[in-house]
Amino acid sequence: QKEVEQDPGPLSVPEGAIVSLNCTYSNSAFQYFMWYRQYSRKGPELLMYTYSSGNKEDGRFTAQVDKSSKYISLFIRDSQPSDSATYLCAMSLVRSGNTPLVFGKGTRLSVIA
Amino acid sequence: EAEVAQSPRYKITEKSQAVAFWCDPISGHATLYWYRQILGQGPELLVQFQDESVVDDSQLPKDRFSAERLKGVDSTLKIQPAELGDSAMYLCASSLTDVVDTQYFGPGTRLTVL
Repeated sequence: QKEVEQDPGPLSVPEGAIVSLNCTYSNSAFQYFMWYRQYSRKGPELLMYTYSSGNKEDGRFTAQVDKSSKYISLFIRDSQPSDSATYLCAMSLVRSGNTPLVFGKGTRLSVIA
Repeated sequence: EAEVAQSPRYKITEKSQAVAFWCDPISGHATLYWYRQILGQGPELLVQFQDESVVDDSQLPKDRFSAERLKGVDSTLKIQPAELGDSAMYLCASSLTDVVDTQYFGPGTRLTVL
């Protein structure tokens, strides 16, 4: 079992839909959770960062962490065609230092106009 | 807006050849990372530098891969000899410090080994 599991999709939704992207993980020591967006032929860019359990909202994006279930989610409201990309979850044991980010495989999202 | 620069963007080579990738981080960023992203997978860290020193190269296949950051600024990742399984996107990222949520990624070098 990989440390971080993420459904690769692809996921196709109509414009305006609410999108739910999820990751599960096996290492309960993970404390820092991130979501990256990666457009085709580009490097990942950080969307959201959360620490421990709870919700964090930024515009149309909400990141949710449930440490008891080892489950994190990213919700996108009012999805737009420009949201079409691969979304990668990533997590870390500590916020700084010599500890690498562990990424999921990424979920490919297409928002159809 | 400052960006991480990488070159070349695309590289096609034959197996057993040597290849090199270059990364110029955002000015002032002390921490530099090289990741490998196989198609359909998430990035995996190959090597992390703090200034010119390697702080983590535990996942770098040292029999064929080498990385250097001689003056603590730009960096080169080399593969010699390249193998078919090395076909992937090689991503460079940098951050001001080693805080995990402050990494900025470059556009990557797409390597195809024939």
